[in-house]
Amino acid sequence: EPEVTQTPSHQVTQMGQEVILRCVPISNHLYFYWYRQILGQKVEFLVSFYNNEISEKSEIFDDQFSVERPDGSNFTLKIRSTKLEDSAMYFCASSDDGTGVLKLFFGSGTQLSVL
Amino acid sequence: EDQVTQSPEALRLQEGESSSLNCSYTVSGLRGLFWYRQDPGKGPEFLFTLYSAGEEKEKERLKATLTKKESFLHITAPKPEDSATYLCAVHSNDYKLSFGAGTTVTVRA
Repeated sequence: EPEVTQTPSHQVTQMGQEVILRCVPISNHLYFYWYRQILGQKVEFLVSFYNNEISEKSEIFDDQFSVERPDGSNFTLKIRSTKLEDSAMYFCASSDDGTGVLKLFFGSGTQLSVL
Repeated sequence: EDQVTQSPEALRLQEGESSSLNCSYTVSGLRGLFWYRQDPGKGPEFLFTLYSAGEEKEKERLKATLTKKESFLHITAPKPEDSATYLCAVHSNDYKLSFGAGTTVTVRA
């Protein structure tokens, strides 16, 4: 069964450093998303992406965050200068329909720890 | 702003002891309500989509129902492998899902 793949599974970084989280969405999907989950809290929306553009972003997704689809298969989330409060599990998701009812398929996540 | 509230926060069951999880929601216009299963350290795994009040979906020991204000996930005769956190999410009039905090279900053998 097709799945969303995320790398790395764990990332430890120092505060102020840049990190790039990588995702390979399901191959025929065109809509891509990043969500995050701080330990013990709800899964929160960060950003949606379609046709090489951001469709929507949350208040969390400030100027320190960016997304990119550098080639036909990868989708990345960059955090420019990490803060302690960026420590969370980051989930990539994809769907084949972004305009009807969203049915998202999630990856296993990248656990980001900012020290 | 969409609101999704799940109860209870945690549920401990004996194997075979059926129970229900609740998801109440407030949205401007519901396009779909989703149930996901999340195992520790993993991403949410899709279970069901419900579109309109009165709809029901089943998968093995799980059955999801929907009314205009809430959804229930019924677990019939659960087994230890059903232990997980069950997440409810709604999709209204934008490009995102809004999640509830989840119900953590523990099934003891």
